[in-house]
Amino acid sequence: GDQVEQSPSALSLHEGTGSALRCNFTTTMRAVQWFQQNSRGSLINLFYLASGTKENGRLKSTFNSKESYSTLHIRDAQLEDSGTYFCAAERNNNNAPRFGAGTKLSVKP
Amino acid sequence: DMKVTQMPRYLIKRMGENVLLECGQDMSHETMYWYRQDPGLGLQLIYISYDVDSNSEGDIPKGYRVSRKKREHFSLILDSAKTNQTSVYFCASRGQGFSDYTFGSGTRLLVI
Repeated sequence: GDQVEQSPSALSLHEGTGSALRCNFTTTMRAVQWFQQNSRGSLINLFYLASGTKENGRLKSTFNSKESYSTLHIRDAQLEDSGTYFCAAERNNNNAPRFGAGTKLSVKP
Repeated sequence: DMKVTQMPRYLIKRMGENVLLECGQDMSHETMYWYRQDPGLGLQLIYISYDVDSNSEGDIPKGYRVSRKKREHFSLILDSAKTNQTSVYFCASRGQGFSDYTFGSGTRLLVI
């Protein structure tokens, strides 16, 4: 069954604003990875977390295994942040990551 | 520069033809994956390979098979392609333990 539920499915932001994307898991996951898929279709690694919080520039991600969710915060959104964001989570080391359906982000001037 | 390379980038095949998608990685990663991506569905797992000749079905293996004869190469084979196998196919690899996944740039396959 579905293990990774991603929300919202679509999001529109004005430049300079921010928001949060969320992934809920229907089972306990040991790690999560966030990707941005750009307009060319390439998957760009953003974060890999086994726990806690990581930050990189205007992006910050948190993974709470106990409560079965992960978030990706974007602040001061820029036009180049547009694209589709995916989370992918794994149950254990021998288990391949399962993807959410993605959040399509549009950043407007 | 560590990377996963997929060939070809674009491919058009007729229904019933055989299709070979190739994936290579230069990181000596043991585990490799094949996914397909269709609009609105995210990426779906087709096959996993834990090492040479050690392959397991993913969530949607029907209509596909794989081959891994060298650690750095993982092939996806469609015997007698069907139109519903039109999709974008992604290959990925990962190292041991808690390590992130590296994806290739994808192969866009159109079956007509």
